[in-house]
Amino acid sequence: SQQGEEDPQALSIQEGENATMNCSYKTSINNLQWYRQNSGRGLVHLILIRSNEREKHSGRLRVTLDTSKKSSSLLITASRAADTASYFCAAFGGSARQLTFGSGTQLTVLP
Amino acid sequence: GAVVSQHPSWVICKSGTSVKIECRSLDFQATTMFWYRQFPKQSLMLMATSNEGSKATYEQGVEKDKFLINHASLTLSTLTVTSAHPEDSSFYICSARITGLHGYTFGSGTRLTVV
Repeated sequence: SQQGEEDPQALSIQEGENATMNCSYKTSINNLQWYRQNSGRGLVHLILIRSNEREKHSGRLRVTLDTSKKSSSLLITASRAADTASYFCAAFGGSARQLTFGSGTQLTVLP
Repeated sequence: GAVVSQHPSWVICKSGTSVKIECRSLDFQATTMFWYRQFPKQSLMLMATSNEGSKATYEQGVEKDKFLINHASLTLSTLTVTSAHPEDSSFYICSARITGLHGYTFGSGTRLTVV
């Protein structure tokens, strides 16, 4: 499977600012998922957007999906220091119907 | 709900020894579990798909004789790293798909260090 790309690789912002992360994928998808990983820990599922959806909200999270460009974005509004973590997109689909992770964005929110 | 418990959280072993990592689904049955490997500051790479009662499916480039996977019950999958070498040092994570919700739940990961 081919890994997707995320940008930026690292993002540092001040508390209260918004953080936007972008993800591109390579195969056709059924859905795209975003996960969070604190250092040295497992992944926590944040939000899932289906291929027929264009935007989805969950609390301070907003996800968009553009299947024509094979891209997605995750927006975290009013960021907090506790949001500091790595964020990964994961595309589900393709012939193997498996989860393929992007390269991840390391977000640092400065208090 | 839908929790996967992974143990140990970290392990240090000598070169040439074998290490077993366990993943248990605590409140659901996992017909299929997935094993990932993650190097520092990198993404997760799928190693193999573990199917209850049958042989695991390995991704290209993953040695099935080195990374033994057993999924003998609907709540337990194990990954054994045999004859470990320093280059096997990595973070190993298991996951299971949550039926009906399309998302996945992940174990907390195992940090393996081979010295």
